[in-house]
Amino acid sequence: QKEVEQNSGPLSVPEGAIASLNCTYSDRGSQSFFWYRQYSGKSPELIMFIYSNGDKEDGRFTAQLNKASQYVSLLIRDSQPSDSATYLCAVTTRAQKLVFGQGTRLTINP
Amino acid sequence: EAQVTQNPRYLITVTGKKLTVTCSQNMNHEYMSWYRQDPGLGLRQIYYSMNVEVTDKGDVPEGYKVSRKEKRNFPLILESPSPNQTSLYFCASMFPGEETQYFGPGTRLLVL
Repeated sequence: QKEVEQNSGPLSVPEGAIASLNCTYSDRGSQSFFWYRQYSGKSPELIMFIYSNGDKEDGRFTAQLNKASQYVSLLIRDSQPSDSATYLCAVTTRAQKLVFGQGTRLTINP
Repeated sequence: EAQVTQNPRYLITVTGKKLTVTCSQNMNHEYMSWYRQDPGLGLRQIYYSMNVEVTDKGDVPEGYKVSRKEKRNFPLILESPSPNQTSLYFCASMFPGEETQYFGPGTRLLVL
């Protein structure tokens, strides 16, 4: 089982809709959870982090964490074409190692 | 401007020819790390360094070496590159305990 798993997509969402990206992790002792956005040919950039169960909102982005289910998600409201990118989930394990998922490619269709 | 720089950005080489990819950061970060990114596999950590003269293996260290003689620099050395090291490489740095890891622009390596 992969330490951090994402659906690689591609995920296609119409402009203005909600995009939902999901991630599961295997280490139940994981403490920190991150979402990075990576445009094609560019380096990853951090867009959200979450430590506690529940929701965390930042503008159009909401990160959701459920430690019991070992599940973290990212919702993007009012999706824009500029949101088209690969989204990487990353988790800090109990050994303080940052592990990335394989990424989900998101396309927003005008 | 706060940044992580990598050189070269693109490199084509042949099997067995030693190469070095440089990484430098101007943010006085203690922590630096190297990743490789391959399709379907995401980012995998090669080596990391918690401070000067302190380095440790990540998940895929075989075939790579690093050194951390100065805080700002963290070069990645491939002593004898092989085709399976063809990949996109990223250097990153951060202050330990902070959330944001800053990535360099990437180095695309092709080993023939």
